[in-house]
Amino acid sequence: SAVISQKPSRDICQRGTSLTIQCQVDSQVTMMFWYRQQPGQSLTLIATANQGSEATYESGFVIDKFPISRPNLTFSTLTVSNLSPEDSSIYLCSARPADYLLMNTEAFFGQGTRLTVV
Amino acid sequence: DAKTTQPPSMDCAEGRAANLPCNHSTISGNEYVYWYRQIHSQGPQYIIHGLKNNETNEMASLIITEDRKSSTLILPHATLRDTAVYYCIVLRGGTASKLTFGTGTRLQVTL
Repeated sequence: SAVISQKPSRDICQRGTSLTIQCQVDSQVTMMFWYRQQPGQSLTLIATANQGSEATYESGFVIDKFPISRPNLTFSTLTVSNLSPEDSSIYLCSARPADYLLMNTEAFFGQGTRLTVV
Repeated sequence: DAKTTQPPSMDCAEGRAANLPCNHSTISGNEYVYWYRQIHSQGPQYIIHGLKNNETNEMASLIITEDRKSSTLILPHATLRDTAVYYCIVLRGGTASKLTFGTGTRLQVTL
């Protein structure tokens, strides 16, 4: 299993500013992902954070708004830029451990960052 | 990845078995069935997964029909702590696959 720590757990930000969320995994993982969960909704995948290369974004999400870094196999950051009230959501980090046998592995999730934009 | 269909909500009495159905009629041969749950205000938690055989672990059992077009997650003795949204997800094999969440089933366990 893997333990994922996200910081901050919650924040209140002014519109027009940015928030950077950190995700730390206690073991090396091949895949890291960022999700958004809007109030009362399911999780929506924002992007896959690739180690050593640019993140791969899902439809409707762009790098200018959600820049992502992945400097190594245990750490990633998501920045939500130019905040507006519509960005108020929970943002979750997820990771799938390395599996060199190419068998299926489960994903683990952080506890999320609750962002409120005022 | 194949889409899934789940009932939006279910109730279960504490101590009884909770049987949560999932339809995945377009599943292909290399796709697994995964179950996750999300307890209020927490990150999703992995429960169990399977390919074609029934699976059991300390949390639950997964029953997959022979044609693989549907499955049932069974919580054998539901407790109030099992109240959560349960997500059935079909996923290709391989660590590069991405979990895509549907709307899930909201299970309410009552006294």
